[in-house]
Amino acid sequence: NAGVTQTPKFRILKIGQSMTLQCAQDMNHNYMYWYRQDPGMGLKLIYYSVGAGITDKGEVPNGYNVSRSTTEDFPLRLELAAPSQTSVYFCATVDRGTYEQYFGPGTRLTVT
Amino acid sequence: KNQVEQSPQSLIILEGKNCTLQCNYTVSPFSNLRWYKQDTGRGPVSLTIMTFSENTKSNGRYTATLDADTKQSSLHITASQLSDSASYICVVGDNAGGTSYGKLTFGQGTILTVHP
Repeated sequence: NAGVTQTPKFRILKIGQSMTLQCAQDMNHNYMYWYRQDPGMGLKLIYYSVGAGITDKGEVPNGYNVSRSTTEDFPLRLELAAPSQTSVYFCATVDRGTYEQYFGPGTRLTVT
Repeated sequence: KNQVEQSPQSLIILEGKNCTLQCNYTVSPFSNLRWYKQDTGRGPVSLTIMTFSENTKSNGRYTATLDADTKQSSLHITASQLSDSASYICVVGDNAGGTSYGKLTFGQGTILTVHP
């Protein structure tokens, strides 16, 4: 049982490039989330999904897109990367039965 | 706007000592309050979750309290260990429109350092 996995662990992008951050889970949780964590700040919700085919914006969605074609996968797409998107990105799930939230190990992204 | 404020920002204690971290929130309507531990370079890990009807919850040496009337919570760590060095994050969920799973507000965290 791998839990929540994220790839890549680290990435450096040039301004204007695009990339997809991958997130996968094997716990069959319907609820999945993408957060970003800037130094010294709390986690900010980018997008979330309550099930396959359903996504919704969080607090800071600008510059990002998501899709949820399966229960297991919830990729986050960055289009036209900007230095302001330099951050650590965490994917998470929630178990509706216990309210427990499970986080992936994070992707550290630098845009220069 | 929903907000979660934690204090202190950072704390240094000696191994074996106890400490208490504070959390004040203005989240409405309230659904649940969580404390997470985040080791450097890792994702947060849940320590406790409390709903409106609970005022205390323990997980080993960690004990969280909740006063929903004053909108305050605390996390007490007993007999600290070196491995307790981490950021401790208070997270509050709202229940707006039944979207409690999607609306979690995170505090900025308290960085705890335990010295031998």
